[in-house]
Amino acid sequence: AQSVTQPDIHITVSEGASLELRCNYSYGATPYLFWYVQSPGQGLQLLLKYFSGDTLVQGIKGFEAEFKRSQSSFNLRKPSVHWSDAAEYFCAVGAPDRGSTLGRLYFGRGTQLTVWP
Amino acid sequence: SAVISQKPSRDICQRGTSLTIQCQVDSQVTMMFWYRQQPGQSLTLIATANQGSEATYESGFVIDKFPISRPNLTFSTLTVSNMSPEDSSIYLCSAPGGGGSTDTQYFGPGTRLTVL
Repeated sequence: AQSVTQPDIHITVSEGASLELRCNYSYGATPYLFWYVQSPGQGLQLLLKYFSGDTLVQGIKGFEAEFKRSQSSFNLRKPSVHWSDAAEYFCAVGAPDRGSTLGRLYFGRGTQLTVWP
Repeated sequence: SAVISQKPSRDICQRGTSLTIQCQVDSQVTMMFWYRQQPGQSLTLIATANQGSEATYESGFVIDKFPISRPNLTFSTLTVSNMSPEDSSIYLCSAPGGGGSTDTQYFGPGTRLTVL
């Protein structure tokens, strides 16, 4: 069965500190992996994605994520957190449904990030 | 990337009434998806809206409660019928990106529904 686990419900970091958000997945096929961010009252914004190739992917806002097949993980990192990064972060997994078109996504429960000034 | 809009952005409704949420994509897409995000929870897929065929519902969601229309390749509606307070959620639609890039899901801003 497909599933995504984000073990940390809430993380608090100081501004300028490094950040790592954990994500583990279970998926039968080769997964497409995503990180989304949701600010209060907003929809989901794509941070980055991984399909194949280089296992370290760069995203927007200075975020990066590393795919580790052996650990079924896709952890999100940022070397120096800004106060504006405070938001909810969702890891998601999916696969092509029709040809190369991405089908539905399975989401983790989210990690709420609080940033102390 | 696809640009997706939703209407209304929020609504407060009375128990027993129905609300129709509209989702518009700025490009033609074969599939559109409707998700529900209950307070403090993650996203749960309600159904996949396919143009020219019936929507495909996930376990726990039925057409009588959440009828979906998909009249063309850029538009879909989700109706939340006979609402109860338990239906208070954010409803989001999504679609694979347009412009030839169909390997990423883009999301609308969501409709925040409160049922009294």
